[in-house]
Amino acid sequence: DVKVTQSSRYLVKRTGEKVFLECVQDMDHENMFWYRQDPGLGLRLIYFSYDVKMKEKGDIPEGYSVSREKKERFSLILESASTNQTSMYLCASSSDYGRAHQETQYFGPGTRLLVL
Amino acid sequence: QKEVEQNSGPLSVPEGAIASLNCTYSDRGSQSFFWYRQYSGKSPELIMSIYSNGDKEDGRFTAQLNKASQYVSLLIRDSQPSDSATYLCAVNAGNNRKLIWGLGTSLAVNP
Repeated sequence: DVKVTQSSRYLVKRTGEKVFLECVQDMDHENMFWYRQDPGLGLRLIYFSYDVKMKEKGDIPEGYSVSREKKERFSLILESASTNQTSMYLCASSSDYGRAHQETQYFGPGTRLLVL
Repeated sequence: QKEVEQNSGPLSVPEGAIASLNCTYSDRGSQSFFWYRQYSGKSPELIMSIYSNGDKEDGRFTAQLNKASQYVSLLIRDSQPSDSATYLCAVNAGNNRKLIWGLGTSLAVNP
């Protein structure tokens, strides 16, 4: 079974703090994704990565950065947390598109972040 | 802009009934279609994927795909209270590894 883990289930931070969210997958997947999910807005893609050290902006990258130094690990960084970044953050991974029908994404348990 | 649309619900069905969830998509080039279930406070989990026109069955779940009409549906037979959740439809976004997500349909199965 695919296993995606996230470093924290719940996190409380202060405005202006730098926040690190980590995601690790154990299935040697090439692709990793960071989403945020808010009521009524659905899943919104922040960043994704299709290879080590590679990243692409998603739909809402402002205020976020990412790091992928190893294939299994994808970190989301909030450079200076703000209250409007209070949300549920979800990490997902998938195998390479090169194999047929491999876009299935597998999610971690999520991190609920509260910025005060 | 590529879109995936679902009725937000809530869809309410009695226990034992068939629940029917629908999803339409805008990109005719989409090839892969997914249904995920998400319980409140939890992360999405894959229920089914479908890639060819027609029906695909897995236990109590049947996915139906009609590419000409650009819709995909999920039928849940013999609905159980444990099926109460939000169901997310996702469609591949062309040749770039991403998925486009609907906002989800909330399903309530009443005992």
